[in-house]
Amino acid sequence: EAQVTQNPRYLITVTGKKLTVTCSQNMNHEYMSWYRQDPGLGLRQIYYSMNVEVTDKGDVPEGYKVSRKEKRNFPLILESPSPNQTSLYFCASSTGQSSSYNEQFFGPGTRLTVL
Amino acid sequence: AQKVTQAQTEISVVEKEDVTLDCVYETRDTTYYLFWYKQPPSGELVFLIRRNSFDEQNEISGRYSWNFQKSTSSFNFTITASQVVDSAVYFCALSEAGNTDKLIFGTGTRLQVFP
Repeated sequence: EAQVTQNPRYLITVTGKKLTVTCSQNMNHEYMSWYRQDPGLGLRQIYYSMNVEVTDKGDVPEGYKVSRKEKRNFPLILESPSPNQTSLYFCASSTGQSSSYNEQFFGPGTRLTVL
Repeated sequence: AQKVTQAQTEISVVEKEDVTLDCVYETRDTTYYLFWYKQPPSGELVFLIRRNSFDEQNEISGRYSWNFQKSTSSFNFTITASQVVDSAVYFCALSEAGNTDKLIFGTGTRLQVFP
């Protein structure tokens, strides 16, 4: 089954304690991205990756890091989480091909609370 | 600049009422794609529809219908005879031909359907 998985699904942590949210897709997609969802703001792109070892900032990258060492994985790293990073996070993947439309596949979401 | 506006933050209706969720978009591209997603209380994003900028035909799927009007840059979503299960947050989104892998989301409309 084609899917995007995220772990953990729920996480409560404290300010300053480094954490990683994993994202994995089994569709051999080139393009992967992270979004955060906040009330009244919708979903905003944090970082994206167009292929292995190619990553770039989205619209709200401050406080986050990513890496893309393998095609299937795109972890989101919060080196020193702060309460304003409390949010619902979605990982997404797509083929990344430049022809017409590329369907987005979303993970189930990770609800993060930073105390 | 690209932008999606969902002016209705929250809508409450009683079961069996019809309800329309508004979506207005801005883009400079002549080729773009418009989407609606549903986010039920469980939190996942459920894809509902995609429309490309060259297809202004309205679409109906069961109780759901979509009205795309380029003249007013709108892509409105109507639920006929609403049901309690329709209670969710609904997001309108846009992607542009130059970067179809990135979705620009509106801020969402929370729909509550009361029995």
